[in-house]
Amino acid sequence: AQTVTQSQPEMSVQEAETVTLSCTYDTSESNYYLFWYKQPPSRQMILVIRQEAYKQQNATENRFSVNFQKAAKSFSLKISDSQLGDTAMYFCAFLPPSGSARQLTFGSGTQLTVLP
Amino acid sequence: NAGVMQNPRHLVRRRGQEARLRCSPMKGHSHVYWYRQLPEEGLKFMVYLQKENIIDESGMPKERFSAEFPKEGPSILRIQQVVRGDSAAYFCASSRYNEQFFGPGTRLTVL
Repeated sequence: AQTVTQSQPEMSVQEAETVTLSCTYDTSESNYYLFWYKQPPSRQMILVIRQEAYKQQNATENRFSVNFQKAAKSFSLKISDSQLGDTAMYFCAFLPPSGSARQLTFGSGTQLTVLP
Repeated sequence: NAGVMQNPRHLVRRRGQEARLRCSPMKGHSHVYWYRQLPEEGLKFMVYLQKENIIDESGMPKERFSAEFPKEGPSILRIQQVVRGDSAAYFCASSRYNEQFFGPGTRLTVL
C-alpha cells in the first residue's frame, strides 16, 4: 500500500515571498501520478498541479512548481510570489498506475498562512 | 460545463437516522469516488464506482454504509443509523483518465 507523508502541519510566509511545502511518499510502483490539491476555508478541493512519474521535467503552473525527485520519493511544492489567496490547507496525493486501485492516497496536509 | 455537483451541502441528522448524500459527476465522466474527511485530517478513500458497478469498496466501513451509482441519476452514499463519529465532510470526485475533480462536499453533522 502507498503512503504519503507531509511533515509540516503548519507553515507561514510573507506576502510576495516564496515558500516550499514538503511531501514524501512510499510506493513500489514505477509509474504513477502525483498531485497537489489546495483546500481553502470554503473546503472545496482544488487541483493545483500534477506530475507524471515517467516525466523527468518538473511540472509548473504559473506561480506553482514542483521539485520531483523520483529516487528520493520526494515531491515538494514551491509557491512563488505568495498571495493572500494562497492561504489554505495543501494536500499532496498519490495515484497509482492504471488498474483497479485508482483511488487517491492523501497526506495529512499542510496549513499555509500567507501574512500581509 | 458544470463541475461535480453534490447535495445537500450541509446535512444534520440525529443519531439513528439515515443520511443520503448525492453526487452528480461531470459530464462525460463515468467513474465516481467517495472520500471522507474527518476534522483536522486528510481525505480518506471510501469507495470507487462505475455506472451500475462497485469497483472497489475497500475503504468503506463494513456496516451501515453503502453506495450506488445507477444507470440513470446521481451516485448515492447512504449511511444508516448514523452515529456521532460519522460527522465529517464527504467528498465525491469524478474522473476521466488520470485526474479527479472534486465536488464541494457534503458536511454531515450528527447530533
